[in-house]
Amino acid sequence: GAVVSQHPSRVICKSGTSVKIECRSLDFQATTMFWYRQFPKQSLMLMATSNEGSKATYEQGVEKDKFLINHASLTLSTLTVTSAHPEDSSFYICSARELWGGGTDTQYFGPGTRLTVL
Amino acid sequence: GDSVTQMEGPVTLSEEAFLTINCTYTATGYPSLFWYVQYPGEGLQLLLKATKADDKGSNKGFEATYRKETTSFHLEKGSVQVSDSAVYFCALSFTNAGKSTFGDGTTLTVKP
Repeated sequence: GAVVSQHPSRVICKSGTSVKIECRSLDFQATTMFWYRQFPKQSLMLMATSNEGSKATYEQGVEKDKFLINHASLTLSTLTVTSAHPEDSSFYICSARELWGGGTDTQYFGPGTRLTVL
Repeated sequence: GDSVTQMEGPVTLSEEAFLTINCTYTATGYPSLFWYVQYPGEGLQLLLKATKADDKGSNKGFEATYRKETTSFHLEKGSVQVSDSAVYFCALSFTNAGKSTFGDGTTLTVKP
């Protein structure tokens, strides 16, 4: 099946610094990638939809200037948490949708990135 | 808006017991329905899916049937194993949107 990777898997940073998380589709091209956030023992909340070559679409309540998303190629999307604070600590998960889905709407999920802001 | 409601957990079962995790949805139109599994510290893995009414998704002994009349997609397994211990998420999505709406997740613990 299709594989999506995330890097890093874990990151610890100091408050006020910025952190970049990469999401890659390894064996397929993805025009669309999604970024989710998951709090402990809770469900996934969609943060934004990332489209290759265009600006990301953010969900209501998500600060676009704080969570910068870049989808520079068909296999890579990045999420940068700017000026991170402890409340940004969370598990961030990306997913990717194949370019030629043939009508399928299956998403392939990355393994997630655990961000801890001290 | 679209929503997914899952049976509240946690669920604790003995090995070889029968499992049911209820899932109902609210959506405009006819979405595809999914069950994902998340093991501790890991991302989500697709467990099974169904794309239209009366479809049955199945994988690794798990099954779920898309019931349009009751807007449900209950997950079942006849005999659970300790290795099935994980968090299970029910989700829906539409082809033209792609993004998924998730239920709150149900934690399953299977004891030997």
